[in-house]
Order: sequence, then structure tokens, then C-alpha cells
Amino acid sequence: GAVVSQHPSRVICKSGTSVKIECRSLDFQATTMFWYRQFPKQSLMLMATSNEGSKATYEQGVEKDKFLINHASLTLSTLTVTSAHPEDSSFYICSARTASLGEAFFGQGTRLTVV
Amino acid sequence: GDSVTQMEGPVTLSEEACLTINCTYTATGYPSLFWYVQYPGEGLQLLLKATKADDKGSNKGFEATYRKETTSFHLEKGSVQVSDSAVYFCALSVGGGGNKLTFGTGTQLKVEL
Repeated sequence: GAVVSQHPSRVICKSGTSVKIECRSLDFQATTMFWYRQFPKQSLMLMATSNEGSKATYEQGVEKDKFLINHASLTLSTLTVTSAHPEDSSFYICSARTASLGEAFFGQGTRLTVV
Repeated sequence: GDSVTQMEGPVTLSEEACLTINCTYTATGYPSLFWYVQYPGEGLQLLLKATKADDKGSNKGFEATYRKETTSFHLEKGSVQVSDSAVYFCALSVGGGGNKLTFGTGTQLKVEL
């Protein structure tokens, strides 16, 4: 199947700093990428959908100025958590799709810990 | 809105035991249903799917049947192996798997010798 690589897998940062998470489709061009967040013992919650070259569409309740999403190319999307706080600590997962594949493929996820 | 409810884990089984992980859903449209698996340290992988009522998805000995009348998509396997230890997520998508997915909370399966 298609491969999606997410980096880093784990990151610890101090409160007030920003963290960037990368999501790359390695062997296909992703027209759409999705960013999810998972709290312990809870579902993966969709944060936003991004289409290459256009602004991301955020789900209700997700702060777009805090979670900056960029999808500048067909193989790369980034999620930047700005001015991180301990409550932003979570597991973030991206997925990528293209029309020809018919399904979305997931990255390995990033465990963010804000101290 | 759309939602998925699956049984809480962890589920611990002995090798060769039968597995059932329950999953029920509510959806505003006619959803496609999925089971994803996440092995330790890896991303989610599609395990199986079904796109219409009475369809049975199957892969690697796992199967699940789309039951519209009971809004369920239970995951089953007749004989589990240690290598099946992972977290299993039930999910739905209205419009196909390439659209946004609504996930259940995930069920951790541990298979012991």
C-alpha cells in the first residue's frame, strides 16, 4: 500500500514554544490530507482537512490560529502547534489521500508532550 | 452527527481463542464502514471495509459484516495469534474511505501464549 511518513514520532517542548509536525506521502501525490488528534482512551478526532494549494478547513471548535496547517505541495503537509500549552499534549495523526487510491493512508502519529 | 461506539479494552485472549470486538454506529447518511489496526509503533492500517448493507469485509482471517438493521459492524476472528496484538479502530465515512473518517475509541487486543 501507499506510505505516509510522519515526523517526529515523539516531541517534548516547553510551554509557549511552537512545534511543527510533518506529514509526507512518500510514493503518491496527496491531494487531500487530514489531521487528527487523539486523547487518551478517546476517539481520533478530526481537526482539519487540507487540500493542496488551498486553506485548510477546520472542524468546529479547533482554533485555526493555534493549529496552523500548511499543504504547500502534493507530498507534504505540516501542522504547527503555536504557543503550546500542557493541554495541547496529545497524539496527532495525519492521513493522506488521492482520488486514484480511493482510501486514505495514515502516518505513524506524533506524541506531543508540552511541559 | 455521526458517531461510532466500540467496546472498551483491553481485551486479553489466549492464542487460538475466538475474537469479537463489537462496533455500532450512527450516521446521517449511508456510510461505508471500516476496521483499522494499529500495531505498536506504527500508523493505522486499513484492515477491512464494507460499503453497503450485508457486505462482508475480510482480511488476514478477520471479518466483519455490515448490518444495517442493527447498525453494527462487529469484528471477528476464529483463532487469534500473538501477532494480532494491536489496537483496533472501527470507523465510518459518508462518501467513501477517501473522505473524513469518524472513529471509535479503539480497542486494545492482547494475545498471550
